[in-house]
Order: sequence, then structure tokens, then C-alpha cells
Amino acid sequence: AQRVTQPEKLLSVFKGAPVELKCNYSYSGSPELFWYVQYSRQRLQLLLRHISRESIKGFTADLNKGETSFHLKKPFAQEEDSAMYYCALAPPGRRALTFGSGTRLQVQP
Amino acid sequence: GAVVSQHPSWVICKSGTSVKIECRSLDFQATTMFWYRQFPKQSLMLMATSNEGSKATYEQGVEKDKFLINHASLTLSTLTVTSAHPEDSSFYICSAPPTSGSYNEQFFGPGTRLTVL
Repeated sequence: AQRVTQPEKLLSVFKGAPVELKCNYSYSGSPELFWYVQYSRQRLQLLLRHISRESIKGFTADLNKGETSFHLKKPFAQEEDSAMYYCALAPPGRRALTFGSGTRLQVQP
Repeated sequence: GAVVSQHPSWVICKSGTSVKIECRSLDFQATTMFWYRQFPKQSLMLMATSNEGSKATYEQGVEKDKFLINHASLTLSTLTVTSAHPEDSSFYICSAPPTSGSYNEQFFGPGTRLTVL
């Protein structure tokens, strides 16, 4: 069975500092990986997905199949980045998502 | 962008009663919708996949007779919690990938908080 692990429940950084939210997964195959974000009092929304290789709001995530990781990074954190971040996995051909436990990012001024 | 709504946003009910939660895709069609459950300070756990025109697919450990799912149309799925008990109190979230468009693009509803007294 697939599993997504986010080891940090809370990550607190100062504005302008680099950010890395860790995500490791277990799946015997090539899943699709996603990062979802939930801002305060808002619904869950897609931040980025590994197949797009895109940068959204300055965030990037590289899929490392050898380490089975999909860490989310941003070189300079902004206060508006404060939110709950979830890493998620979908097996090939399936749309249902398996979520990690989430990491709360706090960016302090 | 695509919007998914849920109704009600919160509900309080007595133990033993049934509660229906609606999930609607407002501006797109979705042959499949997903129902998740989130306990406080925990992650979203997939409960079931709702399929328009056919039976829902339940994840292991989810009682299909307790959590009835009906996907009545291409824009509406309902989750009915039957004979609710306090342990069913949770945050229920639905999501819907558009029938057309990016295969793994999903839109989430705002969630429904259920409290069973």
C-alpha cells in the first residue's frame, strides 16, 4: 500500500529565509506526486505536481526516485506563504489521493 | 476556476440520526468524486470513490452501509452518514476532477464539519 510521510508537523522560519518541506513516499511503482496548500479558512488547493515541473509562487519540488522524496522548496519565504502544506500521491491511472499528515509553515516577519 | 461546493458547511445532530452531505461541481461535470475524512490535526483519509451511474467504491475499513454514497448526476454526489454516533464526528471533504481537462487536476470542496452529540 502507498504511504506518504511528512516528518515535520510545524516549520517556522523568518521572512526571507529558505524553506524546505520534506515529503517521502512509499509506492512500488511510479506514482504521481503533488503538493497541496490550505491557507487559513480556505479550501485545499493544488500548488504543484511533479509531472509539470513548474514553479508556482516561487515554490519548486523535485521528485527523487532514488530517495523516494518530493521535497518542496522556496529560496525566500514570504509571510503570505504561511499555510498548511500537504504532500499527496496518486498511483498511475488513479485519481484518488493519498495524503501525508501535513506540515504547517509559519513565516514570521 | 472550477468550483466545488458542499452543503451544509457544518451540522450538529443527535446520536442515532442520519445526516446527508451534498457535494456539487458548480461549473463542470465530474463522473467521479472523492470523499475524504479528516480528524482534528490529522490528514485527509480517502473514504470512497463516488461514481456517476454506478456503485461507489469504498476504501478498506469504511463501512458502506454506514456511509451511503449516491452520485445522482454529473454534478452531484451525496454522502449520508446513517445512524450517526459521536465517533463519526469529523470533517468531511469532497473533491472532484473534471471529466475533461488534466487527468489529475482535482478541486476540493470547503468541507462539512459534522458533530454528533
